[in-house]
Amino acid sequence: KNEVEQSPQNLTAQEGEFITINCSYSVGISALHWLQQHPGGGIVSLFMLSSGKKKHGRLIATINIQEKHSSLHITASHPRDSAVYICAVRHYGGATNKLIFGTGTLLAVQP
Amino acid sequence: NAGVMQNPRHLVRRRGQEARLRCSPMKGHSHVYWYRQLPEEGLKFMVYLQKENIIDESGMPKERFSAEFPKEGPSILRIQQVVRGDSAAYFCASSPRDGGFIIQYFGAGTRLSVL
Repeated sequence: KNEVEQSPQNLTAQEGEFITINCSYSVGISALHWLQQHPGGGIVSLFMLSSGKKKHGRLIATINIQEKHSSLHITASHPRDSAVYICAVRHYGGATNKLIFGTGTLLAVQP
Repeated sequence: NAGVMQNPRHLVRRRGQEARLRCSPMKGHSHVYWYRQLPEEGLKFMVYLQKENIIDESGMPKERFSAEFPKEGPSILRIQQVVRGDSAAYFCASSPRDGGFIIQYFGAGTRLSVL
């Protein structure tokens, strides 16, 4: 079993829909990251959080440390949001800042 | 994120050749991480380096792979005698320091294809 699990693996939405991507992890963490990767493209860091909730534009990330769960929400989705969204965690007390990644959620937003 | 520069963006090698992947971290960053993304798989940590030191290479294959981050110049990930299974996207990330709540900035990646 992977230490970081994401769901769903694939998601298709209509433009304007509210989208939720989930991430569960099985290890103690010091930080959780949400990343975005466009097909054939680089990786962009969207959020880094260790508690509570963060908002940036139409994106919202939440984390529940007790339940070891995080969600990424996209409000008023747009075709340009189509990408792979990746959850990554850093082990609490880990010797280094290396990240452990989920397998990603492929989001397609149709016009 | 454009600050982390990786080159080449695409690299084609025949089996048995050597591949050299370069990563220039963001200005002021002295910590570099290499990750590999195999087809249809998630990203996996390979190695973490600071200037002139390998700090954590627990994700590096035991043979054919090496990494360095010299005092001057970019970090280099070197793959000797490449095989088809080395075909993947290799991403470099950098940060100004290590720590639990430090953002890593990623490069655009190098896509290696082994024929």
